[in-house]
Amino acid sequence: NAGVMQNPRHLVRRRGQEARLRCSPMKGHSHVYWYRQLPEEGLKFMVYLQKENIIDESGMPKERFSAEFPKEGPSILRIQQVVRGDSAAYFCASSPDQDNEQFFGPGTRLTVL
Amino acid sequence: SQKIEQNSEALNIQEGKTATLTCNYTNYSPAYLQWYRQDPGRGPVFLLLIRENEKEKRKERLKVTFDTTLKQSLFHITASQPADSATYLCALEGSNYQLIWGAGTKLIIKP
Repeated sequence: NAGVMQNPRHLVRRRGQEARLRCSPMKGHSHVYWYRQLPEEGLKFMVYLQKENIIDESGMPKERFSAEFPKEGPSILRIQQVVRGDSAAYFCASSPDQDNEQFFGPGTRLTVL
Repeated sequence: SQKIEQNSEALNIQEGKTATLTCNYTNYSPAYLQWYRQDPGRGPVFLLLIRENEKEKRKERLKVTFDTTLKQSLFHITASQPADSATYLCALEGSNYQLIWGAGTKLIIKP
């Protein structure tokens, strides 16, 4: 059973471009969480999704950021018109149920030039 | 608002000793608390989950306590080894089943 997959592992974008981060949860997991982490800081919750539904997006900026988890395919975190402050590691996690342990992917390190 | 505090300073422990990490929280009564390990450049890895009706939980050399009166969890690693060196994160159940995370404590086990 493969773990949580994230791609790309590293992404470089220039200011104003779009960044698309992909996350394939573990097989059988229908709950996906996205987090952002800056160096030497803890994880900041961004959004929680179940298949085709956004359950909680309270940690995600209202502008430029969006997330989806379609019926088929990976979950996507999309950042439009990136700015330097978006540079961070973005982690995706999945779980089989709501109040269980979360399984994390290796993260995508976004660098905005 | 909910707040979680972990020691921001690195914890240096001699190999073979017990390492104890602290997680304090305020303005909240979570139903459960989780501990994760994170190595540099990697995603967190789940270690233990303890629920509010459990005082203590063990897994091999790991032990977690949960004191809902003190609003504190302690994480112990007995017979510590250099391979235990990592950052340890505590996370509390938040609203809508999302987790609220502490900033983590860096543990260094010296041979």
